[in-house]
Amino acid sequence: EVQLVESGGGLVQPGGSLRLSCAASGFTFSSYWMSWVRQAPGKGLEWVANIKQNGREKYYVDSVKGRFTISRDNAKNSLYLQTNSLRVEDTAIYYCARDVIGGGFDPWGQGTLVTVSS
Amino acid sequence: DIVMTQTPLSLSVTPGQPASISCKSSQSLLHSDGKTYLYWYLQKAGQSPQLLIYEVSSRFFGVPDRFSGSGSGTDFTLKISRVEAEDVGVYYCMQGIHLPKTFGQGTKLEIK
Repeated sequence: EVQLVESGGGLVQPGGSLRLSCAASGFTFSSYWMSWVRQAPGKGLEWVANIKQNGREKYYVDSVKGRFTISRDNAKNSLYLQTNSLRVEDTAIYYCARDVIGGGFDPWGQGTLVTVSS
Repeated sequence: DIVMTQTPLSLSVTPGQPASISCKSSQSLLHSDGKTYLYWYLQKAGQSPQLLIYEVSSRFFGVPDRFSGSGSGTDFTLKISRVEAEDVGVYYCMQGIHLPKTFGQGTKLEIK
């Protein structure tokens, strides 16, 4: 079964950091682009970042550039999102997702909640 | 950034009746490779989104054939031929031609 499981979320103060992880199983992780997508409470979906199979190309939404870093470890079948200088508006469920068929996302993990609050 | 605009934002449908959701993009989603990178997702309550339709009109694996997508350029439509109770949730369109990938605001489908 193709599966993605996120971890690492939690409550953090503004300006703080968290490292989110996504464990992949059931497919050849190293063959796919991977993405992070977030959803603020009660709001819609926002693509955050993606990373190429070999990790050498990375792209970010403007609102997180310079603060978030996407990375991967193909030997560990894992995707990461280092989030620094967190802001209240970064509060969201963060999903990892596999890029398929020219850029759609399937599957999505169950998400990990990041809450930025003092 | 490409802006995706969905209408309506909410929809209440009697089981067995059709439903239709519109999605308009601020720029053409037609790529030079001939493909149009428009996707539809459904997020059921308390769940992660699931891919329904890719490249405008192709149903993803396991998606019932009552779901269909159509459109071109900047105007797209998701149709459900006969709504069932399990179709309740929020539907999102998404463009994948330009980064950042962007989603519509979502359309909430409820059953009457």
